[in-house]
Amino acid sequence: GQQVMQIPQYQHVQEGEDFTTYCNSSTTLSNIQWYKQRPGGHPVFLIQLVKSGEVKKQKRLTFQFGEAKKNSSLHITATQTTDVGTYFCARRGYANDMRFGAGTRLTVKP
Amino acid sequence: DVKVTQSSRYLVKRTGEKVFLECVQDMDHENMFWYRQDPGLGLRLIYFSYDVKMKEKGDIPEGYSVSREKKERFSLILESASTNQTSMYLCASSFGRLGLGSYEQYFGPGTRLTVT
Repeated sequence: GQQVMQIPQYQHVQEGEDFTTYCNSSTTLSNIQWYKQRPGGHPVFLIQLVKSGEVKKQKRLTFQFGEAKKNSSLHITATQTTDVGTYFCARRGYANDMRFGAGTRLTVKP
Repeated sequence: DVKVTQSSRYLVKRTGEKVFLECVQDMDHENMFWYRQDPGLGLRLIYFSYDVKMKEKGDIPEGYSVSREKKERFSLILESASTNQTSMYLCASSFGRLGLGSYEQYFGPGTRLTVT
């Protein structure tokens, strides 16, 4: 089954509000990837984190990898309607397999 | 530009039919994957392949098989389609081996399969 748990499953925000989705694992992760899937589209890679405590930013998006490498988060500052979609975290296994979380679906009210 | 294509965008099949879903990538990627996506369940890994003629089971391989005769092509086969296999099927590929490479997944547009 899925080895990464994502919360929340849904999030509805007013445009301009912040948004955070969390990804948790019971085991230590060697890496975590984040993807965005727009409605009707396919998942698109956003970023990969590999180092303990790593923080990366892409404009209004901030990605963090926990110190213990068991959790990760994606934070969006001042959401816009273009941020609408489902955000997935995923972990790569030793055999190059990938396991995705169930995703957080973000809707933004203008 | 990176491209992953899938043979059909929409497909309707009858229960018991044998179904072939084709995926082709033009990036010379070693790794290829088949997922199914259902509401609330995210992307579940069916099968993956890290080299030609190699295949590994994912989390939900039952009722499916795969074929990878050429590096660029990865086929998913439903031996005898059933209604519970109605879903969105996504193919992906990635570059990476032995810890080297980005392992970033590139997805195809998906095939929405309906089994009646």
